[in-house]
Amino acid sequence: QKEVEQNSGPLSVPEGAIASLNCTYSDRVSQSFFWYRQYSGKSPELIMSIYSNGDKEDGRFTAQLNKASQYVSLLIRDSQPSDSATYLCAVNSGPGGYQKVTFGTGTKLQVIP
Amino acid sequence: DTGVSQDPRHKITKRGQNVTFRCDPISEHNRLYWYRQTLGQGPEFLTYFQNEAQLEKSRLLSDRFSAERPKGSFSTLEIQRTEQGDSAMYLCASSSGQRSTDTQYFGPGTRLTVL
Repeated sequence: QKEVEQNSGPLSVPEGAIASLNCTYSDRVSQSFFWYRQYSGKSPELIMSIYSNGDKEDGRFTAQLNKASQYVSLLIRDSQPSDSATYLCAVNSGPGGYQKVTFGTGTKLQVIP
Repeated sequence: DTGVSQDPRHKITKRGQNVTFRCDPISEHNRLYWYRQTLGQGPEFLTYFQNEAQLEKSRLLSDRFSAERPKGSFSTLEIQRTEQGDSAMYLCASSSGQRSTDTQYFGPGTRLTVL
C-alpha cells in the first residue's frame, strides 16, 4: 500500500465549478498535511497546509482533514483555467520535529473554459 | 528574500560522467531537503540536513549519490558515474525548522538528462 494515495486523474471541471481533490494516507501518526500545486515543468508551490481536523479556508481554496478516516481533501471554488495543474498531496509522518514529507503522485486538474 | 535557488537549472551529461548540483536555501532556514521527481510521480525524498548535519538518507539512494552542506548554508548534491535512470528533476527545499509543523519551500529544480 502506498503511503500517500491520490487519483492521478485527469480531473476535468468547467470554469467556475468546484474542483474536489482527494488524498488518503496510511500512517496514523501523521501530523501535518500539505497541498502543493505544480505546473508542468515547474517546481511544487505550496497552496495550503492543515494540521487539525476540520476545514481550513484560504480564498478560493479549502482544505479538509479527517484523521480518523486518514483522509485529506482540497476544494477549489470558482475554478479558473489558471488552476489547471497537478496537485500534490504531502504528508509529514515523521516524529516530532522531523520533517520527512511523503508526496502522492498528484492529481492532474484540467479546468475547461 | 529571494527564495530557494538552484544551479544549474538544466544539465545534460553523458552516461558515466559526474555531475554536481547546488542549492541555496532561504536565508536562515536551517533545514534543507533534496528530492528527485520523475514524470508522473511525486517528489521522492533523497536526503535531509539540519544545519550541516545530514540526518536522513533514503535507502533508495545509491552509493553514487552524495550530498553535503558544509557550513549549514548552501548544499551540493553529486551524482557519480551517471546512468540514464538518473534522468529526473532534482528538487531542493528548505524550511525554518522552528516547529514540527513548519513548511517546506521548493526551489525551481535542476533538470538532469543523461544521454
